[in-house]
Amino acid sequence: AQTVTQSQPEMSVQEAETVTLSCTYDTSESDYYLFWYKQPPSRQMILVIRQEAYKQQNATENRFSVNFQKAAKSFSLKISDSQLGDAAMYFCASWGPYNDMRFGAGTRLTVKP
Amino acid sequence: EAGVAQSPRYKIIEKRQSVAFWCNPISGHATLYWYQQILGQGPKLLIQFQNNGVVDDSQLPKDRFSAERLKGVDSTLKIQPAKLEDSAVYLCASSLVPRVETQYFGPGTRLLVL
Repeated sequence: AQTVTQSQPEMSVQEAETVTLSCTYDTSESDYYLFWYKQPPSRQMILVIRQEAYKQQNATENRFSVNFQKAAKSFSLKISDSQLGDAAMYFCASWGPYNDMRFGAGTRLTVKP
Repeated sequence: EAGVAQSPRYKIIEKRQSVAFWCNPISGHATLYWYQQILGQGPKLLIQFQNNGVVDDSQLPKDRFSAERLKGVDSTLKIQPAKLEDSAVYLCASSLVPRVETQYFGPGTRLLVL
């Protein structure tokens, strides 16, 4: 079964600093997609960034970037110049073999002013 | 474009009562998902529709949960009878096609079963 593991239940970062959230996954497929979702306290889950596994280049979206290590099955999220609005739960996710999206348990990010 | 709509936003019921949730996906999105998110956990897929057909309902507790997607657009998720452990946020999401496209989530319905 496809699993997604986030080993950091909570992380904290000082405003304007950089933080990295970890994620590992397990898959037997050769072509797949990986996602980071953000869920603020209001509960609306929004996409932060996505990575196609066949692309060697790491995805970047403004202050958000990923470090995708395909051989190690690692997919970490780096947030640069952290802002107070970045405080939220962050979920790593990937498509399962039956077109079902599998989520990790999440990392709660706190941003200190 | 309008996002995924869900109602109600909050619901409090007593155990053994029934409850229904409604979802309206983004226009044109063929794939619709219902997730259960228990406090402190990631979302867990309950059921996936492709148009008005069920693609995957392997994790849906069929003895008490049911879902339908009439005409391939709106969907309802029902729980009857509810148990205490059903207390969770129920998220609806949609995408153009599965697997490749990004899922877009609704605001969720927070259910408390007393």
